[in-house]
Amino acid sequence: GDSVTQMEGPVTLSEEAFLTINCTYTATGYPSLFWYVQYPGEGLQLLLKATKADDKGSNKGFEATYRKETTSFHLEKGSVQVSDSAVYFCALNAGNMLTFGGGTRLMVKP
Amino acid sequence: DSGVTQTPKHLITATGQRVTLRCSPRSGDLSVYWYQQSLDQGLQFLIHYYNGEERAKGNILERFSAQQFPDLHSELNLSSLELGDSALYFCASSVRASENIQYFGAGTRLSVL
Repeated sequence: GDSVTQMEGPVTLSEEAFLTINCTYTATGYPSLFWYVQYPGEGLQLLLKATKADDKGSNKGFEATYRKETTSFHLEKGSVQVSDSAVYFCALNAGNMLTFGGGTRLMVKP
Repeated sequence: DSGVTQTPKHLITATGQRVTLRCSPRSGDLSVYWYQQSLDQGLQFLIHYYNGEERAKGNILERFSAQQFPDLHSELNLSSLELGDSALYFCASSVRASENIQYFGAGTRLSVL
């Protein structure tokens, strides 16, 4: 079946540091790929998406590129802020449902 | 605000009891999805309804059931509750069954004591 693997956290960074959160997937067919973010006490918010190979999703300074050859969708941000502290989920959709990775907690210190 | 409304926000109940969680999708969305988020299982898909009809089932226990009503709101019914059912339950909605983007509600936190 479909699966998503993402790096375990927590990831602790200082403000303005570079962020990478790794995500790889296994799926039949050609899934769409997503990053969702969950702030404390809140639901999941769509951060960015990519629907086909080589697409780059971007939003709020975050970027991720759909790499079919490496089945990856790594999340990056050039300069993180304290307000980026949250749990980030990589997910794929190959049909009716989302399959999520385990989530990566990001903590950004001032 | 995603536009997806879930009630109640918190629910505390005892083992063996039955509860109902409610979800109102975004205006115009026909698809409703239910997910469970627990510490040991992570985020798991439970069930999908489209315009009142069940479309897909995931790891949903037989003690759990759902339905989508003509006004498109959905309810998730959990019965014979066990301690392990304690989790955050999310509802999401999308425009069509094939729509890839799902918008999530804030969730209902269920505590079974």
